This record gives sequence, structure tokens and C-alpha cells, in this order.
Amino acid sequence: QSVLTQPPSASGTPGQRVTISCSGSSSIIGSNYIYWYQQLPGAAPKLLIYRNYQRPSGVPDRFSGSKSGTSASLAISGLRSEDEAHYYCAAWDDSLSGVFGGGTKLTVL
Amino acid sequence: ELQLVESGGGLVKPGGSLRLSCAASGFTFSTYTMNWVRQAPGKGLEWVSSITSSSNYINYADSLKGRFTISRDNAESSLYLQMNSLRAEDTAVYFCVRDKEDWGQGTLVTVSS
Repeated sequence: QSVLTQPPSASGTPGQRVTISCSGSSSIIGSNYIYWYQQLPGAAPKLLIYRNYQRPSGVPDRFSGSKSGTSASLAISGLRSEDEAHYYCAAWDDSLSGVFGGGTKLTVL
Repeated sequence: ELQLVESGGGLVKPGGSLRLSCAASGFTFSTYTMNWVRQAPGKGLEWVSSITSSSNYINYADSLKGRFTISRDNAESSLYLQMNSLRAEDTAVYFCVRDKEDWGQGTLVTVSS
């Protein structure tokens, strides 16, 4: 069981907005930056959001992140078929350790 | 272009050892913290170990301490993971990760008799 809790699945239709939650303790989420990764089938994870809400260059602004208290969220607006993937939240702390959520499989209906 | 290329995976018997390598290029390797993250078949991501740019600080997942050793050679732009006393539950794809950002394609380690 992961220290960060994500729903195992989420779904939406093309064009919809979906959110994926990531919850944990105050010592994990409350004290660290949250990162979000997208893993397409058969591929390596790709960074989507860093430091809670920042987007790397090349990531569409359809993807957004937020954090409040002991939970974080990834929102995807204007859902597309190519967004169908697994999404993972992660917390990396200054003591050189990382922890991942269990992952959410997003299905585009 | 940034590249992280893992190698060294394969089939090993329980109790055996393997040394994974990650060849980095396209960036100044010596200035980045590096990590190993693994993913068991059909499962989620699991942080394994991290090492700072100058190897001053190293950390491991609690479940792995004593069996795995992370190291790096900045002159060769390479990251390593020495894995000893391997168990079936160590079967996974092992990814090399630059800081928290960039991932290699991974190398598969299978521990089976």
C-alpha cells in the first residue's frame, strides 16, 4: 500500500475535464513538492507537473496541478484519446528520498 | 539531446547479483542528483535509491538497504546499481532518473530459478 493514495481508475469522454487526486500525510504532502508523471502504455514515465503546479516546457496547458493541505490534484481539461495512460503522483524530499502514489489508470471513453 | 540508457538487466537466480548501468549524455551529468526507480510487472512505481552529484549523500528505500548499492562515475557520466541477494520480488523494470525529471527507457531484471 502506497504512502500516497490515488484512485485506481478514472475516466472521461473527449473534451471533458477530469481530476485525479493524491492524498497523504502532512509530513509527506504537506512538507514536500508534488510531482505528476504520465506513463503511456509500454513507455517510460514522463514528467507532467513539477513543484505542485509548474509545467515543463512542451506539456500542454490542458494539464494543471494543485496542492492544498494534505492532498494534491492533477486536472486534465479538453480530454483527448492520447491522454489515456497511467498517472502517478510523487513526493521528493530534501533527505534524498522519493515516494509514489499507486497510480491512476485514466480511460478515455 | 538528453539520453539515459540503462543496461545490465537480465535473468538471474534467487540469491544472485546484477550490476545495472545508466549511460548519460546530452547534459552535465556531474551536476545532477540521480535516482533509480523500479516498476514490477503490472504494478506502480517504486523509488529505489538516490545519489547526489558528488556522491556525498546516498539514500535507499528501507526495504532494500544492505542489498543494493548505488554509485556513479562522473568522469564516465554513468550511474550504477549493484544488486545483491536478489529475490523474486526484485523482478521489475529499473529506470534511471535524472533529478526528478527525465527517465531512461528502463532495463528489465527478472529473478527466477
